[in-house]
Amino acid sequence: QVQLVQSGAEVKKPGASVKVSCKASGYTFTNYAIHWVRQAPGQRLEWMGWINVGNGNRKYSQKFQGRVTITRDTSAGTAHMELSSLRSEDTAVYYCAKHDNSDYYFDLWGQGTPVTVSS
Amino acid sequence: QSALTQPASVSGSPGQSITISCTGTSSDVGDYKYVSWYQRHPGRAPKVILYDVSNRPSGVSNRFSGSKSGNTASLTISGLQAEDEADYFCSSYTSTSTPYVFGTGTKVTVL
Repeated sequence: QVQLVQSGAEVKKPGASVKVSCKASGYTFTNYAIHWVRQAPGQRLEWMGWINVGNGNRKYSQKFQGRVTITRDTSAGTAHMELSSLRSEDTAVYYCAKHDNSDYYFDLWGQGTPVTVSS
Repeated sequence: QSALTQPASVSGSPGQSITISCTGTSSDVGDYKYVSWYQRHPGRAPKVILYDVSNRPSGVSNRFSGSKSGNTASLTISGLQAEDEADYFCSSYTSTSTPYVFGTGTKVTVL
């Protein structure tokens, strides 16, 4: 079955870091890209960055530059998104999404990982 | 990054047609054919229902159709069914430093 399965909900304190994983199955992991998108309560979806799983190239939104790191483990078929220096405004549902490098849309999404930042 | 504007909610009775608009700018919707639409049921992963403005992925009902005029894209759901009750959001490729921008989301209610 073609799917992306994300890690479970996280609760973090301000200043901490969170690492969310996204395990792919049912397709050739290295042939596609993985993007990360988040949605804070009452807000729109927001693009955070992406990684070309095949060659490891990545790009981040300027908004998160310096705080976000996207990696992949090709042997495990898993992508990771780590966000550091968390603040309350980072409370959101974080999604991974699969992207074909020749297209401009996301053809498969993870179920989302809620991250709560609270003291 | 700017957002694409959608109505917060749209409702219709079973069998009716509804249309959801997605208004952007000349840097995104107006300049590219790369508008996609997603359906999200509560607690579930979003699912693409249209890409490149009007193309349906395999398995998506032909009750979903899309169009674009200027800076505004539209999603039409024909023959509304109870299972269509969900959140819908649009996305566009953009020429800005952030390659993808998303809509504000529309909650569709089937009366």
